[in-house]
Amino acid sequence: QSALTQPASVSGSPGQSITISCTGTSSDVGSYNLVSWYQQHPGKAPKLMIYEGSKRPSGVSNRFSGSKSGNTASLTISGLQAEDEADYYCCSYAGSSTLFGGGTKLTVL
Amino acid sequence: QVQLQESGPGLVKPSQTLSLTCTVSGGSISSGSYYWSWIRQPAGKGLEWIGRIYTSGSTNYNPSLKSRVTISVDTSKNQFSLKLSSVTAADTAVYYCAREPYNYDILTGYSGYYFDYWGQGTLVTVSS
Repeated sequence: QSALTQPASVSGSPGQSITISCTGTSSDVGSYNLVSWYQQHPGKAPKLMIYEGSKRPSGVSNRFSGSKSGNTASLTISGLQAEDEADYYCCSYAGSSTLFGGGTKLTVL
Repeated sequence: QVQLQESGPGLVKPSQTLSLTCTVSGGSISSGSYYWSWIRQPAGKGLEWIGRIYTSGSTNYNPSLKSRVTISVDTSKNQFSLKLSSVTAADTAVYYCAREPYNYDILTGYSGYYFDYWGQGTLVTVSS
């Protein structure tokens, strides 16, 4: 099993929208609607932002949204804010196993 | 509010066994449909799932680590544990424990399988 594929970095200006992709295979992302996304600030534990592809936990801003098409899931952050600058990881159930993406560093310019 | 806390040695010698415990507070580890998982992160690198356990003792492991990993649970202490044998410098990482809701319905299929509560993480260094 290989890690899910994410871009190493993305950037955007405050107020703009960005999208982070997460590409897997028909054995993981494509087979289950069980992709989750995590935000991690330096020195902190990851924080759940999206689960089951597009659901937001209580307390997470509606600026964060998730979607999936085929073997690729996406995280969109609209109205970028300075505090969104962090690392973002996708994660997918893969049938008795779990895969993470390599992570994407989001820079708010 | 559920809280998880990792504990264990911060330094392990090469070829020895890494042992960590995660203590769950704010709720019973046996309540609800949850797996209890271990995840690690080498410095400057991404997250790697190690494995999960249900309170029945049922486990799933990362295939790349399966030969060296054992996850166990002690419901009387509200704890679950990780053992990783034959460690090398490549096992140096911050180790996290996390709660993982899950469900399976014959009509709707699988749901959950995300990590909603995490411990703060504990750094384990493998060095002589």
